[in-house]
Amino acid sequence: EAEVAQSPRYKITEKSQAVAFWCDPISGHATLYWYRQILGQGPELLVQFQDESVVDDSQLPKDRFSAERLKGVDSTLKIQPAELGDSAMYLCASRNRDMYQETQYFGPGTRLLVL
Amino acid sequence: SQKIEQNSEALNIQEGKTATLTCNYTNYSPAYLQWYRQDPGRGPVFLLLIRENEKEKRKERLKVTFDTTLKQSLFHITASQPADSATYLCALDPWNTGKLIFGQGTTLQVKP
Repeated sequence: EAEVAQSPRYKITEKSQAVAFWCDPISGHATLYWYRQILGQGPELLVQFQDESVVDDSQLPKDRFSAERLKGVDSTLKIQPAELGDSAMYLCASRNRDMYQETQYFGPGTRLLVL
Repeated sequence: SQKIEQNSEALNIQEGKTATLTCNYTNYSPAYLQWYRQDPGRGPVFLLLIRENEKEKRKERLKVTFDTTLKQSLFHITASQPADSATYLCALDPWNTGKLIFGQGTTLQVKP
């Protein structure tokens, strides 16, 4: 069964450093999401892509976060500089192009710890 | 303000009993609602989707109800097993844009 791939699974960094996370969605899925999940809370959307275009990045802290999906396939989320409050799980999800296929498929996540 | 609320306290039940989890929302009129399961350190896994014109949806031991008047969804696991222990998240797409808003999740612990 096809899965969403993410790497790395874990990342420890010091504040003010740069970090990057990678996501490879299920093949053929046009929509890609990045979520942040703080321990004990539900995932919160950071950015939504449709193919290579950003559909919604209203919750992305643009002074330090950036996301790209250059060829409309895999995607990278970057944080520069990292802050202590960025410690969280970063989840990537993808969804089929069919408007009636509402299910989002999540990857295993990247656990970030900022020291 | 717009909110999705799930039982904040963990739910502890005995194996074989029925677990019932609640999801309440305000100020939304979603076309559908979804339930996901999340194990520690893992990403959420889709379980069920129920549309606004459906009162109830079943899948094996799982049942979801959706009351758009009460703005509430109930998620039931019958004949619960220790393997059902996890956090369960409800999610809405309030504007039918594919953007999901999640509740904070309810942790279920099934004891043998």
